[in-house]
Amino acid sequence: RKEVEQDPGPFNVPEGATVAFNCTYSNSASQSFFWYRQDCRKEPKLLMSVYSSGNEDGRFTAQLNRASQYISLLIRDSKLSDSATYLCVVRGDYNTDKLIFGTGTRLQVFP
Amino acid sequence: DTAVSQTPKYLVTQMGNDKSIKCEQNLGHDTMYWYKQDSKKFLKIMFSYNNKELIINETVPNRFSPKSPDKAHLNLHINSLELGDSAVYFCASSPHLLAGEADEQFFGPGTRLTVL
Repeated sequence: RKEVEQDPGPFNVPEGATVAFNCTYSNSASQSFFWYRQDCRKEPKLLMSVYSSGNEDGRFTAQLNRASQYISLLIRDSKLSDSATYLCVVRGDYNTDKLIFGTGTRLQVFP
Repeated sequence: DTAVSQTPKYLVTQMGNDKSIKCEQNLGHDTMYWYKQDSKKFLKIMFSYNNKELIINETVPNRFSPKSPDKAHLNLHINSLELGDSAVYFCASSPHLLAGEADEQFFGPGTRLTVL
C-alpha cells in the first residue's frame, strides 16, 4: 500500500463548479498534513496546511479525519487558473521533517 | 530575488557520464532537500541537510552524493549516470529541522535531467 494515496484524475470541471479531492495516508503516527499545488512543468508550491479542526482559505477548504486517516480538499467556484495538479502531502512521525507526497490529482477547469 | 535557485534548468547527457546540479537558497533557511520526480510525477525525497549536516538519506544509490559547502547551498553530484536517472530533480528548503505544522518547504524550479 502506498503511504499517501490519491485519485490521479483528471477531474474535468466547468468554471464555477465545486470539486473535492480525497487522500488517504497509511501511517497513523503522521503529524502534519498539507496540500501543495503543482502547475505543469513547474515546482510544487504550498496551497495550505491542513489542521485537525479543518480550515478554510478563500475558496479552498481542507479537512482532516485522523480516525479514518483521510484528508480532503474542496474548491468552490472553480476558476480556469485552478487547473493544476494537487498534491496531498503528509509529514511522517514526530521526529522527522520528511514529507511524503501523493502522486497528485490533476484538475482541469474548462470555460 | 529568487528564493531557491537551481542550475542548470535542463541537462542532457550520455549514460556513464558524471554531472552535478547546484542549488542555492537566499531565505536564510537551515534545512535543504533534494527530491526526484519521475516520469509518473511521483515526487520522492532523496536527501535532507540541516546546517550542512546530512539528516535524511533515503535508499538512494551511492552514485548520488550531496554536498553542502554552507547552509545556503546543497549540490547534487551523480556518478555513472543511468537511463533510469532521467527525471526532474527539485531542490527545496525550509526554515528549521523538525518544522512545525505550518512550516512550508520552498522548492526550486527543478532540473530536468535526460540521460541518453
